[in-house]
Amino acid sequence: SQQGEEDPQALSIQEGENATMNCSYKTSINNLQWYRQNSGRGLVHLILIRSNEREKHSGRLRVTLDTSKKSSSLLITASRAADTASYFCATDAMNRDDKIIFGKGTRLHILP
Amino acid sequence: DAGITQSPRHKVTETGTPVTLRCHQTENHRYMYWYRQDPGHGLRLIHYSYGVKDTDKGEVSDGYSVSRSKTEDFLLTLESATSSQTSVYFCAIRAYNEQFFGPGTRLTVL
Repeated sequence: SQQGEEDPQALSIQEGENATMNCSYKTSINNLQWYRQNSGRGLVHLILIRSNEREKHSGRLRVTLDTSKKSSSLLITASRAADTASYFCATDAMNRDDKIIFGKGTRLHILP
Repeated sequence: DAGITQSPRHKVTETGTPVTLRCHQTENHRYMYWYRQDPGHGLRLIHYSYGVKDTDKGEVSDGYSVSRSKTEDFLLTLESATSSQTSVYFCAIRAYNEQFFGPGTRLTVL
């Protein structure tokens, strides 16, 4: 079964609002990553957070990691129409960091 | 795009026929991956490679085999295609703890 599970499955918000997506995973990890996929395209890497980090920022993105709860969140602030996409978390495994497993994704739709 | 190409980009085949998808990279990265993407399932890892002739199974490896005889090419073979293998297949390489994806191959098995 998949390591990561995103929540919610789908999210619609007004442009300018903040969007929060969550990811839960099952086993201990070295790193957790977030990716974006625009319709019909491949995935694009957004941000990586290591297991010893609790929060990381990149532009309008903020990622948190709680290893005790085996969960992560991705916050997109001041959303734009161009943020409409699917977002996936990806994890490795503590004893096998070359095996990267993705969750099912969250479909984000930004309303004008 | 990390120099990743996939071929073919689209393929329609019949149940029971063998199919081989090719992933080619130009930058000599060690790790290469094959995923399939289906509605409601996200991306699922089929097989991956951590070097020439070094491969391992992913989450959904049944019905698939892979080969990597040289660094730049990672082949995914469906020995006898089934309708359940209709999907979009993505190849990826790993560099600097990130994965870079190819454009995908849309495979339809009739």
